[in-house]
Amino acid sequence: GAVVSQHPSRVICKSGTSVKIECRSLDFQATTMFWYRQFPKQSLMLMATSNEGSKATYEQGVEKDKFLINHASLTLSTLTVTSAHPEDSSFYICGGGTSGGRETQYFGPGTRLLVL
Amino acid sequence: SQKIEQNSEALNIQEGKTATLTCNYTNYSPAYLQWYRQDPGRGPVFLLLIRENEKEKRKERLKVTFDTTLKQSLFHITASQPADSATYLCALDIGGGNKLTFGTGTQLKVEL
Repeated sequence: GAVVSQHPSRVICKSGTSVKIECRSLDFQATTMFWYRQFPKQSLMLMATSNEGSKATYEQGVEKDKFLINHASLTLSTLTVTSAHPEDSSFYICGGGTSGGRETQYFGPGTRLLVL
Repeated sequence: SQKIEQNSEALNIQEGKTATLTCNYTNYSPAYLQWYRQDPGRGPVFLLLIRENEKEKRKERLKVTFDTTLKQSLFHITASQPADSATYLCALDIGGGNKLTFGTGTQLKVEL
């Protein structure tokens, strides 16, 4: 159980374009979705937290207008990287959390973004 | 400032031996600590959670200890196998709301 899918797994885009990443919880309801970014040989850095039906809360230094997060349902959250630039190239991972005091996050397989 | 430290150097051990990984933290008192496994190009996979009032937790070949006085957690894999080779991350709930802050991870290589 607790499976999370992400799509696409890999995307290459030109600088200035927008990229949407989908994150779906397949067998549980993700009341909270966490979005992370991971650069090579570094750990996961939390970008933002979203609760279903609410606006996302962004971590310090993360531009909310650049990284648009939508958590429209308990099984789907999307991250849109707007006007992507080469420095946005990274590994983006979503992690779903459930309600009821369960602290464990269930992560998607990640999306590798390369901006040329 | 808050800090979570894991051995940055890779740990190489022989198959069948026990691997021990360390996670040290400073400047906070987490209610719990978690360990995850991450394979290259993949998202982390949850392994174990240990709470502040628990000294030790086990799951099959895995054992985690949590010393809130030393601010340290040890993660053990007994009878290690090449399939255990991966990066292991510790994570703490720092800001509340179940937000996790991850350590940098330790890469484990189990050799035949």
